[in-house]
Amino acid sequence: DSGVTQTPKHLITATGQRVTLRCSPRSGDLSVYWYQQSLDQGLQFLIQYYNGEERAKGNILERFSAQQFPDLHSELNLSSLELGDSALYFCASSVGAGGSYEQYFGPGTRLTVT
Amino acid sequence: GENVEQHPSTLSVQEGDSAVIKCTYSDSASNYFPWYKQELGKRPQLIIDIRSNVGEKKDQRIAVTLNKTAKHFSLHITETQPEDSAVYFCAASTPLGAGGTSYGKLTFGQGTILTVHP
Repeated sequence: DSGVTQTPKHLITATGQRVTLRCSPRSGDLSVYWYQQSLDQGLQFLIQYYNGEERAKGNILERFSAQQFPDLHSELNLSSLELGDSALYFCASSVGAGGSYEQYFGPGTRLTVT
Repeated sequence: GENVEQHPSTLSVQEGDSAVIKCTYSDSASNYFPWYKQELGKRPQLIIDIRSNVGEKKDQRIAVTLNKTAKHFSLHITETQPEDSAVYFCAASTPLGAGGTSYGKLTFGQGTILTVHP
């Protein structure tokens, strides 16, 4: 167990819908990262937050957005869902600036868009 | 941006043999290189990492080597066991911020499916 939690574990929804994925980092970690894992794209970085602020952006679609709240949990919002958005979504956390570099992954949310 | 290439894509060994997985990276500013093990349907699990001021690091049966000049790093697993069977990912991270004091995204290789036959 990495100490990073994600809910829900599984999500099945229809095209055009909107979903919210939730992540709670390890106690003491200030940085949260979101990654998407699909068969054809591998593990791809989406976005990073550090202590409530967006720190870096990857190949995140405009239909996707995220935020980190004052209690440091983070939510990834996916809207106007398409079949191609079906994937495993992981969040990871690390201490952040000036601290250790290691990123620890949560168990992931498997999103299926039908 | 950073690009990480990983080889081989599949690796099959007999129990007790050694396994080596190699990665190359493109951004010379990258200075943190972790390796993750992922079992089917589970989270990537950090197994070992190395920073650019170190050439080699060992942890029991696992070792990682880094050649900054050539921009490649490798994972070595000795005395492999069936429970080592999994997908292994290498990654590279580039420092952010003034003085490079914080770390951001990981750029992953495409993964290596390791199968250890009893």
